[in-house]
Amino acid sequence: QKEVEQNSGPLSVPEGAIASLNCTYSDRGSQSFFWYRQYSGKSPELIMSIYSNGDKEDGRFTAQLNKASQYVSLLIRDSQPSDSATYLCAVNGESSASKIIFGSGTRLSIRP
Amino acid sequence: DGGITQSPKYLFRKEGQNVTLSCEQNLNHDAMYWYRQDPGQGLRLIYYSQIVNDFQKGDIAEGYSVSREKKESFPLTVTSAQKNPTAFYLCASSLKDFSYEQYFGPGTRLTVT
Repeated sequence: QKEVEQNSGPLSVPEGAIASLNCTYSDRGSQSFFWYRQYSGKSPELIMSIYSNGDKEDGRFTAQLNKASQYVSLLIRDSQPSDSATYLCAVNGESSASKIIFGSGTRLSIRP
Repeated sequence: DGGITQSPKYLFRKEGQNVTLSCEQNLNHDAMYWYRQDPGQGLRLIYYSQIVNDFQKGDIAEGYSVSREKKESFPLTVTSAQKNPTAFYLCASSLKDFSYEQYFGPGTRLTVT
């Protein structure tokens, strides 16, 4: 059974600080990794995708991938109250035919 | 504006009735997906289609049916055989297969009483 694990939170971070969200996965052959943001009552919105080991930066967001340790993380710099949401990690398997598995999400709360 | 639309936003039905949820995309994506989300849980895949006139069961297909007659459209029917149909239903699309980024529509919240 392939799994994607996230700490459900809530993770509380002061405004302006760095929020760090982590995700581990069980399928060692996984190739595609995605982070989504979901506001309460809304649909998921893609933030980042990452396919290679290392860091990928986009504005205030940085995705980090470590395939050897089977984890992917999302850093949010200069956290804003509007970043308060649930963050979903999604992982694709070894082949393009492998379905994406979503984690249950980490609830992030940015306190002013 | 390119995107994915779902309708209706809210849907209420009596138990025993079939109901069809609409999903349309104008992103020219080959693949479309249906997910179900229950409170506090991750997304679970119901059905997916990677090409017109072809679709595959996901992890929780029982009680659901789909069609893919046009590239732009992937409607989902929730049948009376689905034991717990009340949920948030999300449609998504991607350029090709699962290895590509998926983009979601706004969702349909279905309540069956």
